[in-house]
Amino acid sequence: EIVLTQSPATLSLSPGERATLSCRASQSVSDYLAWYQQKPGQAPRLLIYDASHRATGTPTRFSGSGSGTDFTLTISRLEPEDFAVYYCHQRSNWVTFGQGTRLEIK
Amino acid sequence: QVQLVQSGAEVKKPGASVKVSCKASGYTFTDYYIHWVRQAPGQGFEWIGWINPKSGDTNYAQKFQGWVTMTRDTSISTAFLQLSRPRSDDTAFYFCARVGYYYDSSGPFDCWGQGTLVTVSS
Repeated sequence: EIVLTQSPATLSLSPGERATLSCRASQSVSDYLAWYQQKPGQAPRLLIYDASHRATGTPTRFSGSGSGTDFTLTISRLEPEDFAVYYCHQRSNWVTFGQGTRLEIK
Repeated sequence: QVQLVQSGAEVKKPGASVKVSCKASGYTFTDYYIHWVRQAPGQGFEWIGWINPKSGDTNYAQKFQGWVTMTRDTSISTAFLQLSRPRSDDTAFYFCARVGYYYDSSGPFDCWGQGTLVTVSS
């Protein structure tokens, strides 16, 4: 099973700041990696697919990069609605998810 | 718009079967695979498996083989997840999710149901 390790577990930032979230895979997943945002009591929302492609409706302040084992989700300037939990998901070999990064207001 | 609407919360005793539904709308149900994923309260996601809505073919994660069943009814554009013999540690939100690629078992999940809380408790 491919293990996805997200870091940091919690990220405390202020609106307007830049956020950088990491997802590392235990073996290569090529670019078969997606990022989701989940707010309390809601289903996840697809933000980025295939490592770097923004899903329909994803604001341009969100960007994804990486391939192989190391991936990054960057939020260029945080808006109040961006504070949530973010998960990465690989589909290269079966399906697994990272444990999540909680982005909280500082 | 594309939408997946799941059935309501369930409370079951250990060993009592439970069935969750996921009704699709806004697209052709048989054109996109459905996956099921669960999330224990406050925890991360665990993949259960997928169903091909057109053929009914299924693929389960090893952990769930033998006690989870995925089915579908194309006449009502609905997928189902049945848990037989659930235990207390199966208490979780169960989500259905659509693969965003046409007729592909693998892909990003571009639409999710709202989740169904299944509580297993004596």
